[in-house]
Amino acid sequence: ETGVTQSPTHLIKTRGQQVTLRCSSQSGHNTVSWYQQALGQGPQFIFQYYREEENGRGNFPPRFSGLQFPNYSSELNVNALELDDSALYLCASSWDRGQGELFFGEGSRLTVL
Amino acid sequence: QQQVKQSPQSLIVQKGGISIINCAYENTAFDYFPWYQQFPGKGPALLIAIRPDVSEKKEGRFTISFNKSAKQFSLHIMDSQPGDSATYFCAASTSPGNRDDKIIFGKGTRLHILP
Repeated sequence: ETGVTQSPTHLIKTRGQQVTLRCSSQSGHNTVSWYQQALGQGPQFIFQYYREEENGRGNFPPRFSGLQFPNYSSELNVNALELDDSALYLCASSWDRGQGELFFGEGSRLTVL
Repeated sequence: QQQVKQSPQSLIVQKGGISIINCAYENTAFDYFPWYQQFPGKGPALLIAIRPDVSEKKEGRFTISFNKSAKQFSLHIMDSQPGDSATYFCAASTSPGNRDDKIIFGKGTRLHILP
């Protein structure tokens, strides 16, 4: 059973650029949630995808968008990057929208200069 | 109100002591309360979770105490060990199928156990 994997692990972008982060969910999981974790803070919910459809969104602007593919892997896209977007982006997978255990990847550390 | 408030922000405990972390919530629709543990460079991992039909749940050295009327819950780590040094997050969510069933996290408590 493979765990949640995220790529890239680290990346540096400049303000105004766009970024795509990728996540492979744990085997057997059909739900992927994305969280933003700023330094010293708790994870903040961005959105969740369940069977390729968005199933809930947190307080993030539309320049944060996502996709889920038929194999349940997922992408997080951020357009027009701002300095405050610098954070650890965590992907978590679960079965049937969760409320059970979320299985997190190790995250993608994004730095915006 | 979706917020989960966690305290203290940081905690230092002697080896063998009891570590206590507290959380409070506003939304009475929350019915699942997990605690996650995060080591540096890693994603959070589920430690223990409770539902409001019980007031306490114990797993090894870790215990959750839940007070539904006060809308508070806490994590107790008995016989704290240096390996317990990590950041701990409380969280809460509503039942699956609710549009707002995402898991909401507190801001975290950085725990350091002195050897």
